[in-house]
Parts: sequence; structure tokens; C-alpha cells
Amino acid sequence: AQSVTQPDIHITVSEGASLELRCNYSYGATPYLFWYVQSPGQGLQLLLKYFSGDTLVQGIKGFEAEFKRSQSSFNLRKPSVHWSDAAEYFCAVSNFGNEKLTFGTGTRLTIIP
Amino acid sequence: EAGVAQSPRYKIIEKRQSVAFWCNPISGHATLYWYQQILGQGPKLLIQFQNNGVVDDSQLPKDRFSAERLKGVDSTLKIQPAKLEDSAVYLCASSFRPPGAGNTIYFGEGSWLTVV
Repeated sequence: AQSVTQPDIHITVSEGASLELRCNYSYGATPYLFWYVQSPGQGLQLLLKYFSGDTLVQGIKGFEAEFKRSQSSFNLRKPSVHWSDAAEYFCAVSNFGNEKLTFGTGTRLTIIP
Repeated sequence: EAGVAQSPRYKIIEKRQSVAFWCNPISGHATLYWYQQILGQGPKLLIQFQNNGVVDDSQLPKDRFSAERLKGVDSTLKIQPAKLEDSAVYLCASSFRPPGAGNTIYFGEGSWLTVV
């Protein structure tokens, strides 16, 4: 069965600093990978997705993620965070054919001035 | 383009009572999902519809939860009777094409349920 691990429950970053959120997946075949962001009281918004091709994926709001098959990872990065990036971030995986998303437990991002 | 609409946004009920949540997906989206998100956890799929047929309901607690999607558009998720552990956010989502190669799934803002 597919699974996703987000090892960091909570991360605090200074505004303007760089960010990397970790995501590891377990899946037998080539996975489809996603990062979603959830602001307080809001639904999930898709930041970016990886299906195939270039392993470095660009998303919205200046985020990018890199698929590394050898490490079963899909880490999310941003070179310079803004206070508005404070939110919960979820990594998810699905398999070809049914679009059933399996989510990680999320990483809460706090931004300090 | 209007997003996925859900109502009510917030609901507080006593245990053993019933509750219903409504979802209107993005126009033209054939696939509709209901996810349950318990505080501190990632969303978990409860049920997936393709038009008005059920594709996957393997994680739906069928003794108390039911869902329908009449006419292949709006959907209703019902819980009866509710338990304390049903306190969660219920997220509705939709996608345009049938399940396949990584179609984008769009989420609503969720319906927050507290069972006391």
C-alpha cells in the first residue's frame, strides 16, 4: 500500500530565509506526487504536482519540489519565505488509475519576523 | 471559475444525533470525493464517485456514514448516529476527468464538525 511520511511536524523559519519541507513516499511503481497547502480555516490548495519528465517541478507562490527516485523523496523548497506562507503543508501520493490521494500527516510552518 | 462549494461550514451536534453535509463540485467535474480530516492528521478518503456511481468506498464506515450523488452533480454526506470520534473537517473535492493519469483534484473549504 502506498504511504507518505512527513518527518517534521512543525518548522519555524525566519521571514526571508530559505525553506525545505521533507516528504518521503512508499510506492511500488512510479508515483504521482503532490504538495498541497492549507491555511487556517481553509481548504487545500494545490502548490505543484509531479507525474513524469523533469524531476524539478515549479509550482505557484514561488515553490518548487524535486523528485528523487533513489531516495523516495519529494521535498518542497522555497528560496525566500514570506509571512503569508505560514500554513500547513501536505505531501500526497496517488497511483495511476484511481486518483486516490494518500496524504502525509502534514508539516506546520511558522514564520517569525 | 467557481470552486467547490460546501455547506454548512460549521456544525456542532451532540453524539447520537445526525448531520448532513452538502457539496457542489466545480461545473463539469465528473469525479467527486469526500475526505475526512481529523485534527493533526492528513485527509483520508471516505468515498469517491464517478458521475453518480461509487468508485471507492472502502474506508467509509457504512454503519453510520452514507453518501449519495444523485444526477451526477451535487453530493450529500450523512452521519447517523454521530460519535465523538467523528469530529473532523469533511472536505469535498472534484476533478474534471475520470480517474487516470494524475488529474488535478480541487478541494472545497470544508465542513467543520464538532460532536459533543
